[in-house]
Amino acid sequence: DAKTTQPPSMDCAEGRAANLPCNHSTISGNEYVYWYRQIHSQGPQYIIHGLKNNETNEMASLIITEDRKSSTLILPHATLRDTAVYYCIVLSYGQNFVFGPGTRLSVLP
Amino acid sequence: DTGVSQNPRHKITKRGQNVTFRCDPISEHNRLYWYRQTLGQGPEFLTYFQNEAQLEKSRLLSDRFSAERPKGSFSTLEIQRTEQGDSAMYLCASSLASGREKLFFGSGTQLSVL
Repeated sequence: DAKTTQPPSMDCAEGRAANLPCNHSTISGNEYVYWYRQIHSQGPQYIIHGLKNNETNEMASLIITEDRKSSTLILPHATLRDTAVYYCIVLSYGQNFVFGPGTRLSVLP
Repeated sequence: DTGVSQNPRHKITKRGQNVTFRCDPISEHNRLYWYRQTLGQGPEFLTYFQNEAQLEKSRLLSDRFSAERPKGSFSTLEIQRTEQGDSAMYLCASSLASGREKLFFGSGTQLSVL
């Protein structure tokens, strides 16, 4: 079973920041938080991952709370091409990725 | 394009027929995964290989399903005696075996069983 809880859907205006929340209240100390997204008719695409520090790459930023029980994926300037299902996954070492239903983000013009 | 390649993209078959899908991973990746995804759900893990060894199989993988990865390169997933409930997107992913690896997915094979 997925160890995360995400809202089923969100809307965001084009050009604005999209902030996608994820709850993982039962996360263990050695478990990482991963984010993937899936654009229609494609396979999931890796976005970013982190342990406890905030992370940033060319796609997004990941903010993990100090208690690590929740995180937020930030797309700083959402475009129509960011419309996708976003999956937050908690991963233990050596375990396989377990995908929940994710958050369906709609970027509106 | 050096990404994960899956063939065919679409497969329509009649109930009771056998089907086989192929996955070509990223060449230097030694792990290969199969997932299944139905409409509105996230991908569900089916099985994975490290090199040619099949290391884990999900309970979802009934005895009608078999996967192989000869020589640790491409992989095939066969479904025998297909059922309508097998209709789904079958996704392949590959990665380097590091324990914290990133999965790289193909675009999937959409199976429709009539």
